[in-house]
Amino acid sequence: SQTIHQWPATLVQPVGSPLSLECTVEGTSNPNLYWYRQAAGRGLQLLFYSVGIGQISSEVPQNLSASRPQDRQFILSSKKLLLSDSGFYLCAWTYGLGEQYFGPGTRLTVT
Amino acid sequence: DQQVKQNSPSLSVQEGRISILNCDYTNSMFDYFLWYKKYPAEGPTFLISISSIKDKNEDGRFTVFLNKSAKHLSLHIVPSQPGDSAVYFCAATKNRDDKIIFGKGTRLHILP
Repeated sequence: SQTIHQWPATLVQPVGSPLSLECTVEGTSNPNLYWYRQAAGRGLQLLFYSVGIGQISSEVPQNLSASRPQDRQFILSSKKLLLSDSGFYLCAWTYGLGEQYFGPGTRLTVT
Repeated sequence: DQQVKQNSPSLSVQEGRISILNCDYTNSMFDYFLWYKKYPAEGPTFLISISSIKDKNEDGRFTVFLNKSAKHLSLHIVPSQPGDSAVYFCAATKNRDDKIIFGKGTRLHILP
């Protein structure tokens, strides 16, 4: 069966510090991968999605970036965090069947 | 431009009664709709979906209704149980391979 992992589960970072969140999927190959952010009153905001290694589409201009160095690995990064980057970050995957399956999420607090 | 709208931020329902969560969409190209359930500090979990060729899909206590002419769908939960208290997200996609657009969610409280 497929599983999706995210780490860390929680993170507290000062403004201006870098960020790296990792997501890996097991039990499938060539999945479509997604990064979402859930901020208060904003629902689930799609940040990036990837249909293959090295292929990244950005949905929202911001100081975040994403990379997919391996088929089942998706990384969300920032060189300098802003206060507005605080939120709950979710990685998800789909195999073209419509339903997305989400990871457990990372709670990021920027102080 | 919000393509998927959940206009009720919260809803309270007595245990055992019917919960009805509503969702509107603006993009007539959407042809597949989904509902997700989310508990605090967890990722959303897929609940039920419906294709645009149908107007109803039922799975146990959960039924989703689609009204294409009104660009409206709803999720019915009968009977409502305490474990149903969560945030429910409506979502839509243009085809089953495209990215999914989510609404802002509705927080459902099931009252004892």
